[in-house]
Amino acid sequence: KNEVEQSPQNLTAQEGEFITINCSYSVGISALHWLQQHPGGGIVSLFMLSSGKKKHGRLIATINIQEKHSSLHITASHPRDSAVYICAGTGNQFYFGTGTSLTVIP
Amino acid sequence: DAGITQSPRHKVTETGTPVTLRCHQTENHRYMYWYRQDPGHGLRLIHYSYGVKDTDKGEVSDGYSVSRSKTEDFLLTLESATSSQTSVYFCAIRGTGLAGTNEQFFGPGTRLTVL
Repeated sequence: KNEVEQSPQNLTAQEGEFITINCSYSVGISALHWLQQHPGGGIVSLFMLSSGKKKHGRLIATINIQEKHSSLHITASHPRDSAVYICAGTGNQFYFGTGTSLTVIP
Repeated sequence: DAGITQSPRHKVTETGTPVTLRCHQTENHRYMYWYRQDPGHGLRLIHYSYGVKDTDKGEVSDGYSVSRSKTEDFLLTLESATSSQTSVYFCAIRGTGLAGTNEQFFGPGTRLTVL
């Protein structure tokens, strides 16, 4: 069993839709990261959070420490948001989820 | 841009040949990591380094060795490449973000194909 689980694995949305990607973890972590990877591209850090909520443009990340759960929200989705989104926890090491592949259709 | 480069970016090789991938950082960070990324598995840790000449194994270290003779370079060697080592390899460094929490920065990746 993976220490970090993401859902859904794949997600297709129409442009403009509100999108939520979920992440649950079973290990103690000091911070939760959301990463973005475009097809054939490198991995970019979107957020690092240890409590509460962070917002950057149309992206919002939240974390509930007690429930060991985090969500990544994308408002007014756009085709350029199409990418794989990876949740990762920092504990004694980095624990990675397997990613959520998002496709936003124009 | 966290100042991490990987070379080569793409490589095709034959089974049984040795392969070395290089990760170079300009950030002077202590921790460096090698991951492989495969469909359905996400990122898996191969080896990591916590200083010059200090390295340790990750969860998928079999068939791989590493070396770090200076802070800026972390080399990953496949002693005798096999088709199961066809993958995308990412190097990462760990830096200190705000409030002292650790953040990882990734290199651009190396796509390795073993025929």
